[in-house]
Parts: sequence; C-alpha cells; structure tokens
Amino acid sequence: EAGVAQSPRYKIIEKRQSVAFWCNPISGHATLYWYQQILGQGPKLLIQFQNNGVVDDSQLPKDRFSAERLKGVDSTLKIQPAKLEDSAVYLCASSPQGYSPLHFGNGTRLTVT
Amino acid sequence: DQQVKQNSPSLSVQEGRISILNCDYTNSMFDYFLWYKKYPAEGPTFLISISSIKDKNEDGRFTVFLNKSAKHLSLHIVPSQPGDSAVYFCAASDLGYGGATNKLIFGTGTLLAVQP
Repeated sequence: EAGVAQSPRYKIIEKRQSVAFWCNPISGHATLYWYQQILGQGPKLLIQFQNNGVVDDSQLPKDRFSAERLKGVDSTLKIQPAKLEDSAVYLCASSPQGYSPLHFGNGTRLTVT
Repeated sequence: DQQVKQNSPSLSVQEGRISILNCDYTNSMFDYFLWYKKYPAEGPTFLISISSIKDKNEDGRFTVFLNKSAKHLSLHIVPSQPGDSAVYFCAASDLGYGGATNKLIFGTGTLLAVQP
C-alpha cells in the first residue's frame, strides 16, 4: 500500500510569513494526525481528525495554527504568522479507526529565519 | 511535565550483541505502548507494541518488556545489526479513554549506534 504522502519536504520562510503543509493519508484510514517534532524532542501531537471532524486540538496554538481535513481525506496545516520557535519537522500520520499503530509520512522540515 | 521519558540520549553496541533501550512513564492510565524507529530524513516507522494486559511481546529480533508496577518498558534487540542504527522512540497511549483517540505521547528518543 502507498504510504502517507507529505509536501513540501523542506520549507524556509522568514518570521511573520505564512506557510502551508499538505498531507495525503493512507487510503481508507479514518484518523489523521499532525505532529510537531522540534530538534532533540519527541513528536508532539498538534491536532487529530476522525474522518473530517476534530477529535483533539488541545495543543494546537490556535492564534497562529489552523488545520482542515476536507472530505475526510487530505489535510492541510497552516501557520500564519510564523515565529522562530515554529522551526521543526511537521509530521502527518494516519491510522485505521481504533486500536492500531500510526503510520507516519516523511515530514516537512520548516526553518523560520 | 514529560509523561514518557527516555533518559539515555544515545547507546552504542557491537554488532551481534544485545541492545537494550529503556523507557519510563508517569501516567498510570497509559495502557498501550509502542516503539518506533526513525532514520534521518524519514518519518518514524512502527516497530513493536504491547498492551498493558501483557508483560512481554516478541517479534523476531525485537522483544518489548513491560513492568507496570515500575512504570517501565524496555526494547531488546538481539542480535543487533548495523542496519538497526537509528533513533528509537517510545510512545504511550491511553486507549481506555473512548478507545478511539489513539493519541500517542512520545519520549525524546534514544540514538542507537551499532558498530560493525
């Protein structure tokens, strides 16, 4: 099966600019996650979708971050305006509903200068 | 407050020997634990998991042990191979909460280097 697809792989922007990331999950996976991994830390959940509804966005900085999952398939994560501390790898993951491991994409490495 | 801790940032072992990676957790509600492996410039890849009703799960060269009373789990790799060199993340989940969220809390990772 095809894996989780993410684009772009790399992005460099200046602070206060905006940026968007795209994710296409594994076909048939109902649940989609966005994680942020800062250098030297483990991935941290930003938002979780079940089909096209939000299950958990408690750690999403909603003043600058937004995410949507149209038609329960693809998802985009946006940052506007970006801050230096947003420099990280943004990982998208998906899983079938229920008790199963997450499958991760290769991530987007964001550098904010 | 870090709920999942991997206190060893790095580990170096000789090829053919055993690698033991450790993980501690603080939340007694966690009931599902996973290990992920990550190569540079790639996303984490699922390796092995264990639910809290078990104390051991084995898959080929990989075995995960869970000690609930100590809130500790470990990953054993025997024998270690150079291709095992990667960052290993421990993750935990509280599936008892509705069973559907599957929210994973990750540790900070341990860099394993297997020397030929």
